[in-house]
Amino acid sequence: DAGITQSPRYKITETGRQVTLMCHQTWSHSYMFWYRQDLGHGLRLIYYSAAADITDKGEVPDGYVVSRSKTENFPLTLESATRSQTSVYFCASSGLGHREQFFGPGTRLTVL
Amino acid sequence: QKEVEQNSGPLSVPEGAIASLNCTYSDRGSQSFFWYRQYSGKSPELIMFIYSNGDKEDGRFTAQLNKASQYVSLLIRDSQPSDSATYLCAVNNNAGNMLTFGGGTRLMVKP
Repeated sequence: DAGITQSPRYKITETGRQVTLMCHQTWSHSYMFWYRQDLGHGLRLIYYSAAADITDKGEVPDGYVVSRSKTENFPLTLESATRSQTSVYFCASSGLGHREQFFGPGTRLTVL
Repeated sequence: QKEVEQNSGPLSVPEGAIASLNCTYSDRGSQSFFWYRQYSGKSPELIMFIYSNGDKEDGRFTAQLNKASQYVSLLIRDSQPSDSATYLCAVNNNAGNMLTFGGGTRLMVKP
């Protein structure tokens, strides 16, 4: 009953490889979000989802793909990883009618 | 121009002092305001939210909102070394449940 979890916590991959980051929440929250956090840029929204099968782009969506077939899961896929996608990725969720977001522990991704 | 602005710091205060963290926002339609604390290497953790003008207190933390001046602040009383972290201000402008985050202020509390 961890609330919101992310896997893997650390990942090293090579340029051009496909990588999927997983996010799972147990609160049945309607909204889920993916952010990346880089020094000098703060938290930037990649994609978000208002409900199962509803997703939309955020500030920096290029190079990323999301899906949400089940309310509790929101995977983020880098179809062909680039070095510029080296970052810490956070998943977050929030309930309908509640604006506050709760964050997962993060995934540190390194693209060599 | 960033929509949510914070001084990056570091803000250094002695143990036991009051730490004052400030945040300004550009969208006058913003309705909800949040403060997150982020320790180094960890994820952001919600510590306060405020919706109405005025003060909201929770333990050693007080959030202050002034919509006319478009600023929100966080006061930490009796600061402890364990309060040393980066504090993120976030604003919701009624775009669903999306939040716009400031860049964060790094707080250092010295024993």
